[in-house]
Amino acid sequence: AQSVTQLDSQVPVFEEAPVELRCNYSSSVSVYLFWYVQYPNQGLQLLLKYLSGSTLVESINGFEAEFNKSQTSFHLRKPSVHISDTAEYFCAVSGVQGAQKLVFGQGTRLTINP
Amino acid sequence: GAGVSQTPSNKVTEKGKYVELRCDPISGHTALYWYRQSLGQGPEFLIYFQGTGAADDSGLPNDRFFAVRPEGSVSTLKIQRTERGDSAMYLCASSPSAGSRETQYFGPGTRLLVL
Repeated sequence: AQSVTQLDSQVPVFEEAPVELRCNYSSSVSVYLFWYVQYPNQGLQLLLKYLSGSTLVESINGFEAEFNKSQTSFHLRKPSVHISDTAEYFCAVSGVQGAQKLVFGQGTRLTINP
Repeated sequence: GAGVSQTPSNKVTEKGKYVELRCDPISGHTALYWYRQSLGQGPEFLIYFQGTGAADDSGLPNDRFFAVRPEGSVSTLKIQRTERGDSAMYLCASSPSAGSRETQYFGPGTRLLVL
């Protein structure tokens, strides 16, 4: 079984400031890791995922996340945020073998202030 | 092409009533998932279909919940004798094939309110 903890329920930042959204997971088996984003009044969409290989993965809109196996973390970062990044961000894991389901964290609401 | 669609977008019902929630996956996607999201929480897995069969229904909370996918495309989540605690956003997702590395594509959800 897996579990995911997102340590911050809300993160307010100023526009053009850096941001880090924290995610830690627990699992007895190897996992794949995902970040999903939910913009206001829209459905969940994949932001980025780690499957294997390089531990640093990037999205097309400037976010990146690093898989740290020893710390069981997959924190999401962006060096400079924009108003359009205002959304709720969900970290999720799935077991490499076995159940296909995603296990989500509680979500972090990112609010960008001008 | 079209994404995952869910109908209705909102459903208000009375305690004890029966409801059906529909999901139309992306055409050609063989895997289909249902999740439930309560306010302030992340989505929680309910059931997963591979083709027509339920491959994993371990997340269904009790026997009032049931889901079908008779032709391997559209799926219906059925809730009998609804309770106020069933109020939540119900999300459907599909993926091209089975496999935990696959990206799941989510629909906009059905918001269920049980009065």
